[in-house]
Amino acid sequence: QLQMQESGPGLVKPSETLSLTCTVSGGSISSSSYYWGWIRQPPGKGLEWIGSVYYSGSTYHNPSLKSRVTISIDTSKNQMSLKLSSVTAADTAVFYCARAHGGPPTGSHRLFDYWGQGILVTVSS
Amino acid sequence: QSALTQPASVSGSPGQSITISCTGTSSDVGGYDYVSWYQQHPGKAPKLMIYDVNSRPSGVSNRFSGSKSGNTASLTISGLQAGDEADYFCSSYTDSNSYVFGTGTKVTVL
Repeated sequence: QLQMQESGPGLVKPSETLSLTCTVSGGSISSSSYYWGWIRQPPGKGLEWIGSVYYSGSTYHNPSLKSRVTISIDTSKNQMSLKLSSVTAADTAVFYCARAHGGPPTGSHRLFDYWGQGILVTVSS
Repeated sequence: QSALTQPASVSGSPGQSITISCTGTSSDVGGYDYVSWYQQHPGKAPKLMIYDVNSRPSGVSNRFSGSKSGNTASLTISGLQAGDEADYFCSSYTDSNSYVFGTGTKVTVL
């Protein structure tokens, strides 16, 4: 059974960079069948896709966040990471990592089937 | 990119059927058969309920079904049960290798 676990600081100061790691167990992050994504959810609000990474290192981003987002993958550790720069209070959210199934065309995401439990990150001084 | 549009809330009595709509554009819902639906209970991670418009993952009740017409997708829950009370989000692949979620619908079982 695949499991995903987010980790990182629960509190980040405004203007700083938020850094999170997602550790995958029970399966390989190096599989060519999947993408590995980050999704966030502000308290009481909806879901927002942040971006995804493929085992090759190719990345896909939400256009609205692209300039502040860096997503990377470390296949040796079976982990992926997220960096979100210049954060403000509006970036306060529960951040989830999840596995995506792709389909034609290349880079498309059909669904997210496995999710981590989520980690609350609060942006505050 | 704009979120897909869902009604804020839908309610029904136990045993009834309800339908949640999800409206997008020809660049997302209307352009691809990659619409999925997620159920989220308070404090929990989303759970995949429907994918590829009308397919159910193993273990999901056949009371949940999906469909699509033009730029609007729909999730129908038949035989409504107390445990179905949750938030539901649709999602779709979009042009330019992007992915978008719906605004979310709170389902209440009366």
